[in-house]
Parts: sequence; structure tokens; C-alpha cells
Amino acid sequence: ELKVEQNPLFLSMQEGKNYTIYCNYSTTSDRLYWYRQDPGKSLESLFVLLSNGAVKQEGRLMASLDTKARLSTLHITAAVHDLSATYFCAVDEGTYKYIFGTGTRLKVLA
Amino acid sequence: EAQVTQNPRYLITVTGKKLTVTCSQNMNHEYMSWYRQDPGLGLRQIYYSMNVEVTDKGDVPEGYKVSRKEKRNFPLILESPSPNQTSLYFCASSLNERDNSYEQYFGPGTRLTVT
Repeated sequence: ELKVEQNPLFLSMQEGKNYTIYCNYSTTSDRLYWYRQDPGKSLESLFVLLSNGAVKQEGRLMASLDTKARLSTLHITAAVHDLSATYFCAVDEGTYKYIFGTGTRLKVLA
Repeated sequence: EAQVTQNPRYLITVTGKKLTVTCSQNMNHEYMSWYRQDPGLGLRQIYYSMNVEVTDKGDVPEGYKVSRKEKRNFPLILESPSPNQTSLYFCASSLNERDNSYEQYFGPGTRLTVT
């Protein structure tokens, strides 16, 4: 059974600091997704990582995928308050079944 | 505007009263899926559909039904709702892997309360 674990579950950080959210999954997959959810809102796609070694960056966020280690990271550079949200990773088993992590609630303090 | 729409957005109902949550997308996506979101559990897939008349179970299909008679619509049916189905429901769609696009687009969510 595919499991997806994120850590930390909660993250409170100061503006301007860097931090990394980790997403571990339990089976071979080379398709991993990151989503953002603001309170009371829907999910918004951030990154789609489709192969080992894939790295994508958008603004202060950078995501990477290591399929051999079954690990993806979401790195936050010089955090700002607008990045406060819940971040989910999700893995595609390859059969159109998507498994989501439990989410990381990020709070950036001014 | 490309979007996934869900109706209703909020619903309070009683145990056993059949209900349908509609989902529609205007992006000609082949793949559609339903999820439920519960605190501390993330999103869990209920059912998905790869194309018209093709559906399959996700991780938590018990108590739910779906149909895909048209490409754009993917309704979620609760024949006899129970309180443990109180949750926030999301519909999502994407192109299939032939087009090399796996990104899912999510609807606004439907908050369901079953008393």
C-alpha cells in the first residue's frame, strides 16, 4: 500500500528565513505533485515533477524529486507572509490513483 | 475561463436522504476524480474516471457512487448518507498521460454535513 508522509506537519517560521518541507513515499513512482491550499479555499497546483532529478522553481519555492530515495523536497527561500498556507504533496501510483500526504501547515511570522 | 465547478457549495442534510453533488469541467479533460478532505487525514481519493463510462474505486469508495455519462460531468452520489460522510469534498480533472499532462485542477469544494 502506497503511503505518503510529509514533515513537518506544522511549521512556524520568521520572514526572511529558509526552510524545507519533506515528502517521503513508500513505493516506486516517478510522478510527484505539490499543491497549495489557503484556508477555506481549494487546492492550487504548484509543481509537477515527472522524473528522477527533476527540479522546478517558482519565485521563493523550489521543488525537487529523488525517485531512488523516494523523497521530494519543497524548499522555501526567504519566506514572506504570503507563503502562509497548507502545502500538500501527492504521488501518482501510475494507475490514476493519487495518494496525498497529510499536509504541512506553514505560518510565516512577520 | 477554464474551471471546475461544483454544486452545491454547502449542504446540510439528514441521515439516509439521497443526495448528488455535481461536478463539471470545461477543459475537455478526460480524467476526473473525487476526493474528501478531513482534518489530519489530507485528501483521500473516493472514485476516479479515466474517460466516459470508465470509472474505478479510489481509497475510500464505500458509501459513494459515481457515473460518467458525459466527458464534462462527474457527479458524486450518496445513496444513504451517514454522519461519517460529513466532510469537505473536492472534484478535480486533468488530461490523461497521453498528453503528458498530469496536473489536476480542483473545484471550489463542497462542504457536506450529515446530521
